[in-house]
Amino acid sequence: EVQVVESGGGLVEPGRSLRLSCTGSGFIFGDYAMSWFRQAPGKGLEWVGFIRSKPYGGSTTYAASVNGRFAISRDDSKPIGYLQMNSLSSEDSAVYYCGRGVSGSGYYFDSWGLGTLVTVSS
Amino acid sequence: QSVLTQPPSVSGAPGQRVTISCTGSSSDIGGGYDIHWYQHLPGTAPKLLIYGKNNRPSGVPDRFSGSKSGTSASLAITGLRAEDEADYYCQSYDSNSVLFGGGTKLTVL
Repeated sequence: EVQVVESGGGLVEPGRSLRLSCTGSGFIFGDYAMSWFRQAPGKGLEWVGFIRSKPYGGSTTYAASVNGRFAISRDDSKPIGYLQMNSLSSEDSAVYYCGRGVSGSGYYFDSWGLGTLVTVSS
Repeated sequence: QSVLTQPPSVSGAPGQRVTISCTGSSSDIGGGYDIHWYQHLPGTAPKLLIYGKNNRPSGVPDRFSGSKSGTSASLAITGLRAEDEADYYCQSYDSNSVLFGGGTKLTVL
């Protein structure tokens, strides 16, 4: 069964950093892109960024709201993807999801985790 | 504000047909990129419903269908059931960015 599971969320003070993990199972992790999304309380889904698979260059792309503060990486041997979040503010408080990305006409995401909650507060 | 525009809410009675619209622009939907649809219930993982040109992942009933015309797309749900009550999101792509609609809450009356 294809599965992705997020971990690493928690309470963090404004200005601090946090790293989330996304563990894949049931598929060849390195064959797929991996993306991060978030949903703030009362809001809709927001794309955060994604990392392409190595065959597609392994490059990353980010939403404007996190560009320069967040960084996505992957270790296909583990297989785990990461979201490094720096300079966090209250606006970053949300449930964070990872999703397996399939390349086609753009990308779509066919397997998502249950999410991990990040709360930024003093 | 989302780049793709969806109605905030729609509703229908059991057995009825409802549609959810998703309006974009010439650079995303109109630019040839596919529209994909997701169903999300609170506290659960978002679920892919429709991908590409009206394709359904295994396990998604054929009551769900997608269509696209110009810079707009629609998700249709026929034979509405109580379990369909959820939030629905459209998604596309543009210049290396993944785009989401703001989401539509479907209420089954």
